[in-house]
Amino acid sequence: DAGITQSPRYKITETGRQVTLMCHQTWSHSYMFWYRQDLGHGLRLIYYSAAADITDKGEVPDGYVVSRSKTENFPLTLESATRSQTSVYFCASRDGQGEAFFGQGTRLTVV
Amino acid sequence: QQQVKQSPQSLIVQKGGISIINCAYENTAFDYFPWYQQFPGKGPALLIAIRPDVSEKKEGRFTISFNKSAKQFSLHIMDSQPGDSATYFCAASKQTGANNLFFGTGTRLTVIP
Repeated sequence: DAGITQSPRYKITETGRQVTLMCHQTWSHSYMFWYRQDLGHGLRLIYYSAAADITDKGEVPDGYVVSRSKTENFPLTLESATRSQTSVYFCASRDGQGEAFFGQGTRLTVV
Repeated sequence: QQQVKQSPQSLIVQKGGISIINCAYENTAFDYFPWYQQFPGKGPALLIAIRPDVSEKKEGRFTISFNKSAKQFSLHIMDSQPGDSATYFCAASKQTGANNLFFGTGTRLTVIP
């Protein structure tokens, strides 16, 4: 199916552990984004990518790492998870007209 | 500094009524103003978008009104239905490229039957 697929959908991890959230798109959109959604804050940008091997920080990048070796994949890694990183994470891609397409989200709980 | 401010945080409307959500933005370089609709457990999905060369755009029961001089835009949902109950986000950006979409904090709409 065409679209953006995020995995896992739900994840519980312990403080200090490394966690990787996966994102895969079936289009060939150049631009991809990672957002976190928290009550009262809306959607805040963590990292974005303009193309394979080109990434840049967003509004709240601390504690996160991204890579983009292939256009279709954009994984997000929490190097050492903290409770403040408990959130719902959304991956998105943007087409040439500016429309953003979002995945279903990953609900991450850090205990 | 919040680039896009959205109000109200929550809204309760009777079925058949009009729902109005307002947003204001800071950056005059923004030229793309979308509204996203999000149902529980789902990702946001584009509902309707406007560019600043027009003051209004209508798609079915959904209308965006845009006031460039005031740097404000709003979403009007006519004849609101229970199925419209969702969280709505306004956003703003430059339309193309890797430019970030700056989101408002969201409005939780409940339409009462």
